[in-house]
Amino acid sequence: DAMVIQNPRYQVTQFGKPVTLSCSQTLNHNVMYWYQQKSSQAPKLLFHYYDKDFNNEADTPDNFQSRRPNTSFCFLDIRSPGLGDAAMYLCATSSWGDEQYFGPGTRLTVT
Amino acid sequence: GENVEQHPSTLSVQEGDSAVIKCTYSDSASNYFPWYKQELGKRPQLIIDIRSNVGEKKDQRIAVTLNKTAKHFSLHITETQPEDSAVYFCAASKDYKLSFGAGTTVTVRA
Repeated sequence: DAMVIQNPRYQVTQFGKPVTLSCSQTLNHNVMYWYQQKSSQAPKLLFHYYDKDFNNEADTPDNFQSRRPNTSFCFLDIRSPGLGDAAMYLCATSSWGDEQYFGPGTRLTVT
Repeated sequence: GENVEQHPSTLSVQEGDSAVIKCTYSDSASNYFPWYKQELGKRPQLIIDIRSNVGEKKDQRIAVTLNKTAKHFSLHITETQPEDSAVYFCAASKDYKLSFGAGTTVTVRA
């Protein structure tokens, strides 16, 4: 029973071509997060939504945007991907900031 | 912001021995401390967590201890098995956000 679903699991995009990653959840959690994880590193928080309130991390590049149209869905938009944006993108959810449940991730390749 | 330091960065143990990973945090307002296990190419999975009002928690072969005064917490894995080989991340939570340690790569030798 998938609880946090990410699509696609693998995404290849060209340098500078916009890409959107999606996340959905069946847990009805009010908080949703987007992390970037590069090889051998810890997940790095990009931003999170507390209900509809958007919270951006200070060091998240403007190239990264997010949308949360409803409780269940959240999207990560990369406006002009660069080679340095190749990474695993993890979505997570939590209920009132408690335990975070991670999705399986989307592996992004930039060519 | 919160700063979490994790040691060691790599740990190799003989099967059946114990493994200990230590983390320190900087913000005394952090109140929730989860540990995640991540296998290659997979999502981080919560293995155990502890809250600031508890000093120790155990779940089968895994235990976590927390010293709020010293601002450090540790993961203990006993009777290690090959399937324990993975990267382990500690984290500290404040204001709904997790700050992760850099991770420890644990290798269990058969």
